[in-house]
Amino acid sequence: KAGVTQTPRYLIKTRGQQVTLSCSPISGHRSVSWYQQTPGQGLQFLFEYFSETQRNKGNFPGRFSGRQFSNSRSEMNVSTLELGDSALYLCASSLEPGGGYEQYFGPGTRLTVT
Amino acid sequence: ILNVEQSPQSLHVQEGDSTNFTCSFPSSNFYALHWYRWETAKSPEALFVMTLNGDEKKKGRISATLNTKEGYSYLYIKGSQPEDSATYLCAFRNTGNQFYFGTGTSLTVIP
Repeated sequence: KAGVTQTPRYLIKTRGQQVTLSCSPISGHRSVSWYQQTPGQGLQFLFEYFSETQRNKGNFPGRFSGRQFSNSRSEMNVSTLELGDSALYLCASSLEPGGGYEQYFGPGTRLTVT
Repeated sequence: ILNVEQSPQSLHVQEGDSTNFTCSFPSSNFYALHWYRWETAKSPEALFVMTLNGDEKKKGRISATLNTKEGYSYLYIKGSQPEDSATYLCAFRNTGNQFYFGTGTSLTVIP
């Protein structure tokens, strides 16, 4: 079974631009979560999607958004990029939402904002 | 913002030693506790998902226990091997569907 895939793997953007990251979950997994990892803050929860609906969101500004498609693939978007958005963005998929199931992480997208 | 604390921050052990780490989390609004193993340049790998007070899980030489009343979980590694070297992360899921990660325990097993 193929694992979680994320594209692109690396990205360099300029302040003020916007970016879209993509995540394809493991086949059969219906829930996708997104996380941001920075050296200063560690791993932080961004949001969780299930059945094309955002179930919950972490403590991030409205510039961070996402969506899920009917095939469970998910995208996250960051608008008006700031230097502090430079981070590793990980997505994880699980069979069902809610935290009671194992999450399988993708390789991440390394975003650098200059 | 909730605090999920892990101790120690880092650990160096000799091959063959057994070791354990602690994850402390709020004892209220508990839903689940996850443990992950994260090797450098790889993705976090799920080890355990624990949802009930008193849960004990085991996978090979690694096991974990959970005490939701006092808000802690222990991860044990028996007979550490060099390939166990990684950062071990715990994550607390509350009933509000929020996930909070600890900062991890970095384990180095010296051959």
